[in-house]
Amino acid sequence: DIQMTQSPSTLSASVGDRVTITCRASQNINSWLAWYQQKPGKAPKLLIYDASSFESGVPSRFSGSGSGTEFTLTISSLQPDDFATYYCQQYKSYWGTFGQGTKVEIK
Amino acid sequence: QVQLQESGPGLVKPSQTLSLTCTVSGGSISSGDYYWSWVRQPPGKGLEWIGYIYYTGSTYYSPSLKSRVTISVDTSKNQFSLKLSSVTAADTAVYYCARVPYCSAASCYRPFDSWGQGTLVTVSS
Repeated sequence: DIQMTQSPSTLSASVGDRVTITCRASQNINSWLAWYQQKPGKAPKLLIYDASSFESGVPSRFSGSGSGTEFTLTISSLQPDDFATYYCQQYKSYWGTFGQGTKVEIK
Repeated sequence: QVQLQESGPGLVKPSQTLSLTCTVSGGSISSGDYYWSWVRQPPGKGLEWIGYIYYTGSTYYSPSLKSRVTISVDTSKNQFSLKLSSVTAADTAVYYCARVPYCSAASCYRPFDSWGQGTLVTVSS
C-alpha cells in the first residue's frame, strides 16, 4: 500500500505569511494527489486535485505543485479563514490513502 | 448542488455491527457519474478511507477493513449504506459519506469532491 507522509505536523504562522506544506509518497503516484482543508467539526473540503489543479471556488492564494513522490501545498498570503488542518491524499490506487494532516495555527 | 446526509445510531456496543445510511439529494446515484464512498476519522486523528460502491453494486474496500465491511446501494431510495461488523472502541469515529467522480479508464481514480457533514459513532458498552 502507498504511505503518505506530511510535514510539518503543526505549523504556527501569522496572517500574511507564506506557508508551505510538504507531502511525500512512499512510491511514485505521478500527479494523482489531492489537498483538502478541514476546519473543526466540519467535513474536509477539496482544494487541489491532480497535484496542481484548482477545485472551483478555491482562492488563488492556494497552489499545489509536485509529481512522483514529493508534493507541496503553498498558501501565498495566509488569511484568517485559512487556519485549519490540511490533508493530502493519493488516488493512484483505488485505496486512496491520506497523510496524517498538518495543522496551521495562529502564531 | 448535491447534498449527502449520514444517518444511523450514535452508539454501538462492542462486538456488534455498526450500520449507517447516506441519503443523496440533488443528484441521482443511478446517473453512473460517481462512486459513493465512506471515510472515517477517529476523534483528534486523521482520515481513513473505508470503501466505495458504484450504482451497479460493484464495491472496493480498504484492505485493512475488508473482512468486516459491507457497502450496499439502494437506487430506488437514492441511498447507500455501510455495515461494519465486530466493532471495538477503535472503530469510534466520525463517519463521512462522500462522492468520487467515476472514471472509466483502467486504473483511473479520482479524489472526493463532495462530503456529508459526518456523524459520530461511539463504540461503548
